Amino acid sequence: GAVVSQHPSRVICKSGTSVKIECRSLDFQATTMFWYRQFPKQSLMLMATSNEGSKATYEQGVEKDKFLINHASLTLSTLTVTSAHPEDSSFYICSARSIGRTEAFFGQGTRLTVV
Amino acid sequence: AQSVTQLGSHVSVSEGALVLLRCNYSSSVPPYLFWYVQYPNQGLQLLLKYTTGATLVKGINGFEAEFKKSETSFHLTKPSAHMSDAAEYFCAVSDPRFGNEKLTFGTGTRLTIIP
Repeated sequence: GAVVSQHPSRVICKSGTSVKIECRSLDFQATTMFWYRQFPKQSLMLMATSNEGSKATYEQGVEKDKFLINHASLTLSTLTVTSAHPEDSSFYICSARSIGRTEAFFGQGTRLTVV
Repeated sequence: AQSVTQLGSHVSVSEGALVLLRCNYSSSVPPYLFWYVQYPNQGLQLLLKYTTGATLVKGINGFEAEFKKSETSFHLTKPSAHMSDAAEYFCAVSDPRFGNEKLTFGTGTRLTIIP
């Protein structure tokens, strides 16, 4: 149990376009989902926390208008990188946690390359 | 506030030798502690976790970690390294008071296994 699926695993897009990344909890209800970004050879940095049915909470320094997060159901959260630029190229990972669990379960990550 | 320090960004051990990855944390409350492993271009996989109870925690793939409150440490060990253990390892802490609180990660330790 506790499977989190992230899609796509890799995406290449042109500068100026938008990209949507999906994070799904397959066998549990994820009341809270987290979006992280990982720069090469660095740790994961939390970008935002989303709770189902409410607006996401963004970490300091993260542009909410650039990284749009939607948590419309208990099994799906999406991250949209709007007007992507090469500096947005990174590894994005989501995690999901349900009530009563002490750990979050991670998706397999999405490698975004903006050219 | 919480923080995690992983001493040694790179650790190399010979196949069959002891693996020791260090993690120290800072937390104003008794924390939950985690070790995750990340293989290239993949998401994070939970190795083990400490919440309450027994301070020696056994995880998957032969790894274990011991919570030492007096030393604020949660070092990860494995008696005999295998080539398949080569990966990036992250220590993380969370605050159990807030339920679904986000994880704070260390900067990671890259483990290399020497044949």
